[in-house]
Amino acid sequence: GDQVEQSPSALSLHEGTGSALRCNFTTTMRAVQWFRKNSRGSLINLFYLASGTKENGRLKSAFDSKERYSTLHIRDAQLEDSGTYFCAALNTNTGKLTFGDGTVLTVKP
Amino acid sequence: VTLLEQNPRWRLVPRGQAVNLRCILKNSQYPWMSWYQQDLQKQLQWLFTLRSPGDKEVKSLPGADYLATRVTDTELRLQVANMSQGRTLYCTCSAALGGPNTGQLYFGEGSKLTVL
Repeated sequence: GDQVEQSPSALSLHEGTGSALRCNFTTTMRAVQWFRKNSRGSLINLFYLASGTKENGRLKSAFDSKERYSTLHIRDAQLEDSGTYFCAALNTNTGKLTFGDGTVLTVKP
Repeated sequence: VTLLEQNPRWRLVPRGQAVNLRCILKNSQYPWMSWYQQDLQKQLQWLFTLRSPGDKEVKSLPGADYLATRVTDTELRLQVANMSQGRTLYCTCSAALGGPNTGQLYFGEGSKLTVL
């Protein structure tokens, strides 16, 4: 079946710094979504990409269907960015999303 | 604006007892409704996608048995039985398949189940 490999599993950043999360796909996917799980347990949409890149504030995401990966870049990290980030790849034929295992991001003062 | 309303948000479930979950769709522009589970290992997994009233599907996974029903255009239900491990069930919605951005998924706030 479809598989999504997300890395790193955990990431620690100091305020003001940045890094990138990555998801690799074992097959060609139609689109990718990135989510953040907030303190209440809700999954918040960050990006939906069918191709190319999108940017929103301090977050930027890219998706390359042919090369089978997506990235989420965080710059100028703030304490409130802490949480668990998930990527998910969409199989349009089935409407099914396959999730990565998540990245636990901790931003420290 | 909240697209989905799930209830209950939390439930303690005596071992061997079934629990019924409901999800109400607030915006008919996103009629494709699905259930996802997140187990204790935090793995998120698709369970069902039901589009039409009357659609039903069953599935057995490690730790629980499921029966999903699309009751109406705005209501999706999930019965969870024989649960041996706690989990969180998320309801989702999306626009019709096909066309740009129609696969984008929106999540409800989840129903967290704990086994007693």
